[in-house]
Amino acid sequence: SAVISQKPSRDICQRGTSLTIQCQVDSQVTMMFWYRQQPGQSLTLIATANQGSEATYESGFVIDKFPISRPNLTFSTLTVSNMSPEDSSIYLCSVLPDTQYFGPGTRLTVL
Amino acid sequence: GQSLEQPSEVTAVEGAIVQINCTYQTSGFYGLSWYQQHDGGAPTFLSYNALDGLEETGRFSSFLSRSDSYGYLLLQELQMKDSASYFCAVRDGSGGYNKLIFGAGTRLAVHP
Repeated sequence: SAVISQKPSRDICQRGTSLTIQCQVDSQVTMMFWYRQQPGQSLTLIATANQGSEATYESGFVIDKFPISRPNLTFSTLTVSNMSPEDSSIYLCSVLPDTQYFGPGTRLTVL
Repeated sequence: GQSLEQPSEVTAVEGAIVQINCTYQTSGFYGLSWYQQHDGGAPTFLSYNALDGLEETGRFSSFLSRSDSYGYLLLQELQMKDSASYFCAVRDGSGGYNKLIFGAGTRLAVHP
């Protein structure tokens, strides 16, 4: 199993600003993922972040908008850049040691 | 690409049995997972089927038929606390990356 924490748990931001979300895992994991869940919707994979390599982004997501860092096997950050109201979502960190676990999410509101 | 289909809503009464179906299309299928998500909460893992057949965990069971690209989640002895959204998700290895792709979710409402 894996215990995941995220900071911040929620934030309200102004359009045009950026927010960095932190994800901390209690054990070393190779595979880490970032998802977005818009209100009332399903989870959409943003990118896969493996330690020691560049993040791999899914169609519709780009590094300039969602830069990701993965400095070690227990930590990652996702930045939401130049935010607009359409970026209002829950952002979830996820890891895959044996099965896939999700963090509690960061609820972002952009005004 | 990948696509998954599951019903958007299901309603049932306490003590009943409910089956949530999921059909999928993907080019690099490894297995089918099910997750439960209560409002305001994070998705929690329920089950994973990599091989054909039925997996049982307490009141919940999950089934997979790889030849039919079909699976289901069976919830027995429903309780009010089972009211939540249920997502099927395929583990996909196409493109050289192991990733989990989610369906749109089924909202289950359990009534007294």
